[in-house]
Amino acid sequence: DVKVTQSSRYLVKRTGEKVFLECVQDMDHENMFWYRQDPGLGLRLIYFSYDVKMKEKGDIPEGYSVSREKKERFSLILESASTNQTSMYLCASSLFSGAQETQYFGPGTRLLVL
Amino acid sequence: AQSVTQPDIHITVSEGASLELRCNYSYGATPYLFWYVQSPGQGLQLLLKYFSGDTLVQGIKGFEAEFKRSQSSFNLRKPSVHWSDAAEYFCAVGRNAGNMLTFGGGTRLMVKP
Repeated sequence: DVKVTQSSRYLVKRTGEKVFLECVQDMDHENMFWYRQDPGLGLRLIYFSYDVKMKEKGDIPEGYSVSREKKERFSLILESASTNQTSMYLCASSLFSGAQETQYFGPGTRLLVL
Repeated sequence: AQSVTQPDIHITVSEGASLELRCNYSYGATPYLFWYVQSPGQGLQLLLKYFSGDTLVQGIKGFEAEFKRSQSSFNLRKPSVHWSDAAEYFCAVGRNAGNMLTFGGGTRLMVKP
């Protein structure tokens, strides 16, 4: 079974703090993704990566950055957290690029920014 | 630009009753369509997907979905709902570039005993 793990289930941070969300997949997948999930809006893509050190902006990249130094690990960084970044963050991975590829999701990190 | 609409935010059905969750998409090319389910406290799990061939697609947990190009719809169905089906359901369309997905807003399903 594909396993995607996220470092924290819940995080509480203060406005202005630098926040790191970590994601690890154990199936040698090429692609990794970060989404945020908000009620009524579904999931929105923040960034994705199709290879080590490669990244592409998704639909809502503002206020976020990412890092992929190793194939299995994809980090989401909030350089200066703001209250409007309070959300559920979901990481996903897929084996290859291709519109029909299945994405496998981690359990999510619920972030509260005070 | 592609978009996905799930018109029903909440649906409540009785256990054993049939279920249909609606999904409408907007996409210029042949769509790749997915249904995911999110149980409480869990990540998303793929139920089924369509990318070509038979327009009626079978998935896990007894779910099926039908692709109707003329209606731009990909509705999810189950003939008899179980209490364990209570969850949030997301429809998504895959974009050709880079395996990105566009999700609908989700439908939360509640099951009455």
